[in-house]
Amino acid sequence: ETGVTQSPTHLIKTRGQQVTLRCSSQSGHNTVSWYQQALGQGPQFIFQYYREEENGRGNFPPRFSGLQFPNYSSELNVNALELDDSALYLCASSPGGGGNSGANVLTFGAGSRLTVL
Amino acid sequence: ILNVEQSPQSLHVQEGDSTNFTCSFPSSNFYALHWYRWETAKSPEALFVMTLNGDEKKKGRISATLNTKEGYSYLYIKGSQPEDSATYLCAFKGGGSYIPTFGRGTSLIVHP
Repeated sequence: ETGVTQSPTHLIKTRGQQVTLRCSSQSGHNTVSWYQQALGQGPQFIFQYYREEENGRGNFPPRFSGLQFPNYSSELNVNALELDDSALYLCASSPGGGGNSGANVLTFGAGSRLTVL
Repeated sequence: ILNVEQSPQSLHVQEGDSTNFTCSFPSSNFYALHWYRWETAKSPEALFVMTLNGDEKKKGRISATLNTKEGYSYLYIKGSQPEDSATYLCAFKGGGSYIPTFGRGTSLIVHP
């Protein structure tokens, strides 16, 4: 059983550029969530995808967008990067989908650390 | 916006000490409370899933309790070891949403 893998692990971009982060979900999981962890903060929910549709969104602007593919892997795209987008981006998968039960825990990847200069 | 607070923010203890920290969350519309352990350079890993008021969970030297009526959960570590050094995150599901809201975490460092 493979876990959640994310790529790249580290990257550096400049302000105004665009970035794509990738995530492969754990086998058997059909739901993918993305979180942003800025320095000194807890993980902040960006959005969740279930069956290739966005299934919930946190307080992030539209320049944060995503995709989920038929194999349940996912991408996070951020356009017009700002300095404050520098953070660790965590991907997590879970079973259950749109009707997530309270008991479903998240299986996390190790994250992609983005630095915006 | 759901308010999930963890205290203390960081904690330094000596090997063998027992310790505990707190997660506070909204006391209404509770679905579940999850604890995760996050070691440096690794992925956060689920420790406990707690769904009922009065729940007590245990895994080795680590245990957790839940009080949904007053909105808090305690995580206890008995006889801390250096390998317990990690950030401990709690995540609240409730308030009409199954999407977990995380606290900022408690960073535990256990000195040999």
